[in-house]
Amino acid sequence: NAGVTQTPKFQVLKTGQSMTLQCAQDMNHEYMSWYRQDPGMGLRLIHYSVGAGITDQGEVPNGYNVSRSTTEDFPLRLLSAAPSQTSVYFCASSRRTGPQETQYFGPGTRLLVL
Amino acid sequence: SQQGEEDPQALSIQEGENATMNCSYKTSINNLQWYRQNSGRGLVHLILIRSNEREKHSGRLRVTLDTSKKSSSLLITASRAADTASYFCATSIQGAQKLVFGQGTRLTINP
Repeated sequence: NAGVTQTPKFQVLKTGQSMTLQCAQDMNHEYMSWYRQDPGMGLRLIHYSVGAGITDQGEVPNGYNVSRSTTEDFPLRLLSAAPSQTSVYFCASSRRTGPQETQYFGPGTRLLVL
Repeated sequence: SQQGEEDPQALSIQEGENATMNCSYKTSINNLQWYRQNSGRGLVHLILIRSNEREKHSGRLRVTLDTSKKSSSLLITASRAADTASYFCATSIQGAQKLVFGQGTRLTINP
C-alpha cells in the first residue's frame, strides 16, 4: 500500500490564485481530514470527512473547500489564496468513521502564497 | 483555541537519558494519542491510550493518563539520537469527530 499520498509537495501561488491540493489513500479508510501546520505550532483542523459524500468544518475552514466523491480521494481547494494561507498542509486518514483510532498522515504540501 | 497544552515546549538531553513530556487538555476525551514528527516530515503515530486506561507501554515508550487531572505524559527511556523530533499529543473529544493537537514538544538528543 502507498498509504496516504499528497500532491504537490511544494507550491508557490500569487495572492488571489486558486488551486487544489490532492490527497489520496489506498487503505479503504472512512475518515479523512486536512490540517495546516504553521511554524512552531501544532496542527489545526481545516475540514474532515467521515465517508464519501459527507464533509464538515474543522477549526479553521475559512478560505477552503473540500469534497469527498470517493472513499479514496479528499481534495482541498483554496478559493482565492492569501498570504495567511502560507503553511504546510497535511492530509490524514483513519479506519473508523471518526478520529478514535490511529491517524495516518501524508508527507505534506508546503504552500507559499506571495 | 488548542485543546492540548504541552510542556515543555523544548527539551534537550544527552543520549541515554530519559525524556518526559507532558500534555494537558480541557474537555472529556475518548482517547489521547501521541505522534512524532521528524523535521520536514509528516506525523507518525506512536501510541494511543483510551480514557479508561491509566498506563500503556510500547517499546521504550511509556504513556500515562490521568483523567481527573486531564493530563498525560510521554516517557522515552534510554534516548537515542534518532529520537530527535517534535512530539505532539492529540485528543479525541467525546461527541465530536475531531482530533485536536497540542503545540508540541521539540526534543533534541545530544550525542
